[in-house]
Amino acid sequence: GAGVSQTPSNKVTEKGKYVELRCDPISGHTALYWYRQSLGQGPEFLIYFQGTGAADDSGLPNDRFFAVRPEGSVSTLKIQRTERGDSAVYLCASSQTGSTEAFFGQGTRLTVV
Amino acid sequence: GEDVEQSLFLSVREGDSSVINCTYTDSSSTYLYWYKQEPGAGLQLLTYIFSNMDMKQDQRLTVLLNKKDKHLSLRIADTQTGDSAIYFCATAGNTGKLIFGQGTTLQVKP
Repeated sequence: GAGVSQTPSNKVTEKGKYVELRCDPISGHTALYWYRQSLGQGPEFLIYFQGTGAADDSGLPNDRFFAVRPEGSVSTLKIQRTERGDSAVYLCASSQTGSTEAFFGQGTRLTVV
Repeated sequence: GEDVEQSLFLSVREGDSSVINCTYTDSSSTYLYWYKQEPGAGLQLLTYIFSNMDMKQDQRLTVLLNKKDKHLSLRIADTQTGDSAIYFCATAGNTGKLIFGQGTTLQVKP
């Protein structure tokens, strides 16, 4: 596609529910990143994929968060037993390996009520 | 751990220059970036500088890097009302993983 696509753009869920957030990177981009941006803060790194494998998941806050990229393109961020503190904008970015520029999607605004 | 700090707010008059400052702790940072975020919009890469450079100029934007002091600045010449946004400083190593500051809100008054 022309850019990084994230769906849904908005998600409201009840505390305790499970959610999945999808990221469709730019075609051919091997590197994919997930970030979380809370209100009034800068984005915080969650996880980085190189191809299908998670090369760095040091930013995942706890074991309720998990992400996959089974075919090396689309990625899904999965959050179990959501809490109100998970409310944030979840951003996805992709880049060519070795490139200096990562392209960001518009984000998914998650609200846990 | 790695940390990036920015002042939170800057207000300038249209036509003036704006200077947004950033400090970082990770001396192994390879690239340093400036991103712009407008309300309801995604992150837009403005410019970046490689860690072995001191300065980079790109039209109205000038980036200065003092590697010894781990200080990065972004100067916007002839600031326009359309430059009003939140500006994020970010550092990255070889994996491309970005560490962001908390953002500086730039307000441009007509």
